[in-house]
Amino acid sequence: NAGVTQTPKFQVLKTGQSMTLQCAQDMNHEYMSWYRQDPGMGLRLIHYSVGAGITDQGEVPNGYNVSRSTTEDFPLRLLSAAPSQTSVYFCASSYGAFQETQYFGPGTRLLVL
Amino acid sequence: DQQVKQNSPSLSVQEGRISILNCDYTNSMFDYFLWYKKYPAEGPTFLISISSIKDKNEDGRFTVFLNKSAKHLSLHIVPSQPGDSAVYFCAAIYNQGGKLIFGQGTELSVKP
Repeated sequence: NAGVTQTPKFQVLKTGQSMTLQCAQDMNHEYMSWYRQDPGMGLRLIHYSVGAGITDQGEVPNGYNVSRSTTEDFPLRLLSAAPSQTSVYFCASSYGAFQETQYFGPGTRLLVL
Repeated sequence: DQQVKQNSPSLSVQEGRISILNCDYTNSMFDYFLWYKKYPAEGPTFLISISSIKDKNEDGRFTVFLNKSAKHLSLHIVPSQPGDSAVYFCAAIYNQGGKLIFGQGTELSVKP
């Protein structure tokens, strides 16, 4: 039982490049979410999903796309990276809604030059 | 506009004493509150939560207090241990909006 896994651990991108941050969970959780953590800002919700095929925007969705084709996977796509997207990204999953305990992955540190 | 605020970026406490971490919120629609703990280079882990219909919830050394009239919650850790040294985030939810809002975090350092 690996819990929530994220790849890569660290990535450097040039402005304008695209990439996908991978997130997978093996707990059969319905809810999955993406957050970014920035100094002095705490964690901010980017996108979330309440089940396969269903996604919704969080607090800071601009510049990011998501899809949820399976229960296990919830990738986050940056279509055209910008320096403002330099951050640490966390994926989380939970059995039910946000009141339920969320299990976070170890994070992906992204640097956009 | 920060709806959930942790105004103390850091807190230092002696081992065995009480740690009190504070959190203020502005949205009266929030109906559920949580605390998460985060060690460096790891993801946050759930610590304790409280519904807006309660004013206190206790779990071992950790107690969360909610004062709805003041829009304030606090996390008490008694007694504090060096292993409690971490960043603590409070978070709030309002069900109708389906969103989860985190505060900026407070870094707790418990000194032996």
